[in-house]
Amino acid sequence: QVQLVQSGAEVKKPGASVKVSCKASGYTFTSYGITWVRQAPGQGLEWMGWISAYNGNTNYAQKYQGRVTMTTDTSTSTAYMELRSLRSDDTAVYYCARLGAAAAGSFEYWGQGTLVTVSS
Amino acid sequence: EIVMTQSPASLSVSPGERATLSCRASQSVSSNLAWYQQKPGQAPRLLIYGASTRATGIPARFSGSGSGTEFTLTISSLQSEDFAVYYCQQYNNWLFTFGPGTKVDIK
Repeated sequence: QVQLVQSGAEVKKPGASVKVSCKASGYTFTSYGITWVRQAPGQGLEWMGWISAYNGNTNYAQKYQGRVTMTTDTSTSTAYMELRSLRSDDTAVYYCARLGAAAAGSFEYWGQGTLVTVSS
Repeated sequence: EIVMTQSPASLSVSPGERATLSCRASQSVSSNLAWYQQKPGQAPRLLIYGASTRATGIPARFSGSGSGTEFTLTISSLQSEDFAVYYCQQYNNWLFTFGPGTKVDIK
């Protein structure tokens, strides 16, 4: 069965960087893209970007351009999302999700989420 | 950027009743629309893709309709486990956006 297992919670200071991992299993990693979505406390879902696990091509939401980098390691079937220059309003749960099989733009499988807290 | 709006922001429904949720896109997204359900403390779950196709394992009481800019998610007879927040998401281009969500709670 498809599983996405994310790394554990992080506490960071303003200005620091965080790198969240998402280890995939149960399918051929390079056949599907991985997307990242975040959710601030009590707020809705916000799309950050996606990466092709096949060729590493990325597409980031304009809001995060220049501050986020998404990568994959096909040898370990793991995707990474690094966010730099953290601010307090980056405090959120960060989710990875696998793009859909029948509809490539839908987010078919989700990780459990990683809480990133930014606080001085 | 395609902006998604959802209405109402919240909806109180009695178990067994029908719930109708709306989603609107700022420009046409064809049928490239998905719906998700999220319960507190959980990751979202894909319900509908292609505006009207149920994802694997989703009960038939969930149905989606619409195309272009106007979409609807209908829950025909609400069960206790259906009380949650519902989000629409467009994927017409490879710049995805979510709506702000509709919270469905118990009346």
